[in-house]
Amino acid sequence: DGGITQSPKYLFRKEGQNVTLSCEQNLNHDAMYWYRQDPGQGLRLIYYSQIVNDFQKGDIAEGYSVSREKKESFPLTVTSAQKNPTAFYLCASRQDRGWDTEAFFGQGTRLTVV
Amino acid sequence: DAKTTQPPSMDCAEGRAANLPCNHSTISGNEYVYWYRQIHSQGPQYIIHGLKNNETNEMASLIITEDRKSSTLILPHATLRDTAVYYCIVGGYNKLIFGAGTRLAVHP
Repeated sequence: DGGITQSPKYLFRKEGQNVTLSCEQNLNHDAMYWYRQDPGQGLRLIYYSQIVNDFQKGDIAEGYSVSREKKESFPLTVTSAQKNPTAFYLCASRQDRGWDTEAFFGQGTRLTVV
Repeated sequence: DAKTTQPPSMDCAEGRAANLPCNHSTISGNEYVYWYRQIHSQGPQYIIHGLKNNETNEMASLIITEDRKSSTLILPHATLRDTAVYYCIVGGYNKLIFGAGTRLAVHP
């Protein structure tokens, strides 16, 4: 089955700890994205990557870090510098052939920091 | 990236057409209009996209005005399972920027 997989679905961490969220896709897509969603709100872009070994900050990158060492993987680390990390995190991928492509989303990871 | 404006909520009776509007007055010539929907606590699902011509697929129809400053997503026969938040997005070669969307409630 082709798709985009996020793991785990639920994650609990203690305040002050770094945590890494996994995102893997087997769609052979060039571009990958991380979004954050708070209750009752829309999606906000954290980071995106259009090619391996390159990534760009989105609107709310502070307190987060990413890597793109492989085309199929785009892990997101939520660092202790993120002031309010509890949220729903969504990963997406997209074929980078221009404007005319849709994005595919994973089912999300719900992070709770206690 | 062009911004979009959508009503925060809409209601629709089951079996009726749901018409969801979106304003995107700052859209540029090569930006597409995309529609996604998100059912509670799931990842957004792609519905349809278009540039300037009207588009139809098995899920919905997309009507884009001639000046491309607004569009309407049409669900021809809404069902209870169409209850979701619908996002209209304009863009985006390198990124997709989501607004708050329209919360569509389909009722019996």
